[in-house]
Amino acid sequence: KQEVTQIPAALSVPEGENLVLNCSFTDSAIYNLQWFRQDPGKGLTSLLLIQSSQREQTSGRLNASLDKSSGRSTLYIAASQPGDSATYLCAVSSGANSKLTFGKGITLSVRP
Amino acid sequence: SQTIHQWPATLVQPVGSPLSLECTVEGTSNPNLYWYRQAAGRGLQLLFYSVGIGQISSEVPQNLSASRPQDRQFILSSKKLLLSDSGFYLCAWSDMGLTEAFFGQGTRLTVV
Repeated sequence: KQEVTQIPAALSVPEGENLVLNCSFTDSAIYNLQWFRQDPGKGLTSLLLIQSSQREQTSGRLNASLDKSSGRSTLYIAASQPGDSATYLCAVSSGANSKLTFGKGITLSVRP
Repeated sequence: SQTIHQWPATLVQPVGSPLSLECTVEGTSNPNLYWYRQAAGRGLQLLFYSVGIGQISSEVPQNLSASRPQDRQFILSSKKLLLSDSGFYLCAWSDMGLTEAFFGQGTRLTVV
């Protein structure tokens, strides 16, 4: 059974800092990995999708990497801003039909 | 462009009452549809998914059921709610194949 872990559960950084959010998964036989952002009381916003054949994806100040063999992914946020404060969720698809297994998320607070 | 609508945004229901949450997707055909639940302190858990009209797969045994009466409509139901059904319910869709998943804004259900 696939398990996804995100540590730490919460992180507080000063504005402008570059930061890395980690995600690990137990079964390396994944189809893709997706990073989401969730604001309090809201739904999930897709940030980046990495297919199993890819090593990384970039969108603006965000860069996500995937090391399938070691069961790890990182989300790099450059020059963090208070507006980046949210919970960041990692999810993997391990089979057909895009069913996702989620980590519990990392709640990020960027201090002005 | 594709959009996903989910309602209501919040719901307070007494124990033993019925439930119906609705989700619709616009701008795509024959999507895969999903219902997830996010409980306090826990990650998102897949409840149901559907690859076509009338085709429902349940991921966990529970007090809930799902139906897909139309191609882009997905309904989550219960005949009698339990306290343990409280949570944040999220509908999602993806195209057929191993692609990105997109989520609705969620329904906060409180069973009292």
